[in-house]
Amino acid sequence: EAEVAQSPRYKITEKSQAVAFWCDPISGHATLYWYRQILGQGPELLVQFQDESVVDDSQLPKDRFSAERLKGVDSTLKIQPAELGDSAMYLCASSLGYRGKTDDGYGYTFGSGTRLTVV
Amino acid sequence: QKEVEQNSGPLSVPEGAIASLNCTYSDRGSQSFFWYRQYSGKSPELIMFIYSNGDKEDGRFTAQLNKASQYVSLLIRDSQPSDSATYLCAVKPASGSRLTFGEGTQLTVNP
Repeated sequence: EAEVAQSPRYKITEKSQAVAFWCDPISGHATLYWYRQILGQGPELLVQFQDESVVDDSQLPKDRFSAERLKGVDSTLKIQPAELGDSAMYLCASSLGYRGKTDDGYGYTFGSGTRLTVV
Repeated sequence: QKEVEQNSGPLSVPEGAIASLNCTYSDRGSQSFFWYRQYSGKSPELIMFIYSNGDKEDGRFTAQLNKASQYVSLLIRDSQPSDSATYLCAVKPASGSRLTFGEGTQLTVNP
């Protein structure tokens, strides 16, 4: 069964340090999402890509977070500098969407996530 | 008002009982509705989706949608201890494809 790959699974970093997460979506999935899930809460969208273009980054704290998907395949989410409040699970998801069109109707497949702890 | 609200938990039911999970949403134009199950420390997995008013059944799971009331629910029949997890309701808006999630309801099924 096709999977969304994420790495690392766990990351511990000191505050003010830089940290990066990687995601490889299911092959052929044009739409990629990064979500953040704080313990006890639901996932919250950080950024959505359609191919290599950002569709929605309205909730991304742009002073410290950045995301890219240069070739429209895998993606990297970076935090610099990390803060204590960034401790959370970072989830990547992808969905079936036709290149050039927005996906419609179907739920996503999530990767296993990266558990970030900032100390 | 939150975009997606779920009934506060935790919810505890005995094995074999019916578990009922509820969700309301604020965007009347929302088109698609999803239920995800999330085990502790794991990522969410899709278990049901529904687009049309009424019921949709898949094995022990039934999703119910009432767009007029902006209400969606998930029923789990013959609950098993393995159903113990957090259930997330997610809603797709009228435009765009991003899903908005509720905060989840934690379900415990007691043997």
